[in-house]
Amino acid sequence: SQKIEQNSEALNIQEGKTATLTCNYTNYSPAYLQWYRQDPGRGPVFLLLIRENEKEKRKERLKVTFDTTLKQSLFHITASQPADSATYLCAPGGADAGNMLTFGGGTRLMVKP
Amino acid sequence: EAGVAQSPRYKIIEKRQSVAFWCNPISGHATLYWYQQILGQGPKLLIQFQNNGVVDDSQLPKDRFSAERLKGVDSTLKIQPAKLEDSAVYLCASSWGLAGDGTGELFFGEGSRLTVL
Repeated sequence: SQKIEQNSEALNIQEGKTATLTCNYTNYSPAYLQWYRQDPGRGPVFLLLIRENEKEKRKERLKVTFDTTLKQSLFHITASQPADSATYLCAPGGADAGNMLTFGGGTRLMVKP
Repeated sequence: EAGVAQSPRYKIIEKRQSVAFWCNPISGHATLYWYQQILGQGPKLLIQFQNNGVVDDSQLPKDRFSAERLKGVDSTLKIQPAKLEDSAVYLCASSWGLAGDGTGELFFGEGSRLTVL
């Protein structure tokens, strides 16, 4: 069955450092992958979408990579700030995923000042 | 632009009681989704509508959960009878196209938190 894995342990980093979050998937080949941010008590908010033919996508301090061979996406936040503290969810999607968007369990990021 | 509206925000019920959640998506969005998010987990898709037709409901526990989307706009999700394991946040989301066609992101509401005692 299709499986999405994100590090369930919280990632603690110091302000100003680069945070790197990992999303691994197995048993399917998504056409694209989305990343969302979720704050406590709020709904997820879309950050970035990367397609299978794109190796890398950037938006301000965010960078996402998509390696279809490794079946992995990496999500980077450079010059991290305490305001970046949240849970980050990856969601592979596409026809091979039944045209549904399935979310990973999320990784909680804590940026300490 | 108004976001996705959900109500109620919080609901506490006894097991075996029923509950209904309401969602009003962003105007013009063809696709509407209901997700269940249990504490500490990622959202799990329950049902996906395009306009007023069901695209996928394979993960909806149909013996107790039901959902409808009236006139392709608002939607309600009902649970009857509720079980303890239904305690979760029920998130509604909408998008312009189908999630599977990769045309864009999902816009989520704030969610309805259900506690079953």
